[in-house]
Amino acid sequence: EAGVTQSPTHLIKTRGQQATLRCSPISGHTSVYWYQQALGLGLQFLLWYDEGEERNRGNFPPRFSGRQFPNYSSELNVNALELEDSALYLCASSLGQYTPTNEKLFFGSGTQLSVL
Amino acid sequence: EDQVTQSPEALRLQEGESSSLNCSYTVSGLRGLFWYRQDPGKGPEFLFTLYSAGEEKEKERLKATLTKKESFLHITAPKPEDSATYLCAFSGGSNYKLTFGKGTLLTVNP
Repeated sequence: EAGVTQSPTHLIKTRGQQATLRCSPISGHTSVYWYQQALGLGLQFLLWYDEGEERNRGNFPPRFSGRQFPNYSSELNVNALELEDSALYLCASSLGQYTPTNEKLFFGSGTQLSVL
Repeated sequence: EDQVTQSPEALRLQEGESSSLNCSYTVSGLRGLFWYRQDPGKGPEFLFTLYSAGEEKEKERLKATLTKKESFLHITAPKPEDSATYLCAFSGGSNYKLTFGKGTLLTVNP
């Protein structure tokens, strides 16, 4: 069974540009989560999508946005890139049925975003 | 405020030297306490979920335990391949997301 896949693996942008990151969840999973992992800060929750809707949002500015498609894949968009946006962006999926046993997240390998 | 703190930040062991990693948490209505392993350049890999105080789970050289305020990840006779960052996270309250600690970087020397 295929795991969570993310693309691209690496992305280099300059300040002010836009970045688009993509994620395909495990087959059968309806929830997709995005986390930012910057050096020294641990995993910071960004966004949660379930059944095509944004369900929760972390403490990030509005230039971080995303969406979930009918096939449950997801896209994270970061506008007006700043140097401090450089980080590993991790996507995770889960069964999303709001029960404790379904809250386990399965992570992809991430997209390493570098802003120059 | 819900939060989780892991200690130590880094731990260096000799092969075969057993030790424990600590995860202290504060959350209203804990639903689950999760342990993950993360290798450099990769996403976290799920290890355990614990749901109630007193619960224990084991996998190879790892054993996770849970109390009402903290969780421990015990590593028995570690090997160099156990070197990784170990992350703990919780779910609880009205937020259906995992809140992660900053992790413990474990290095096991041969």
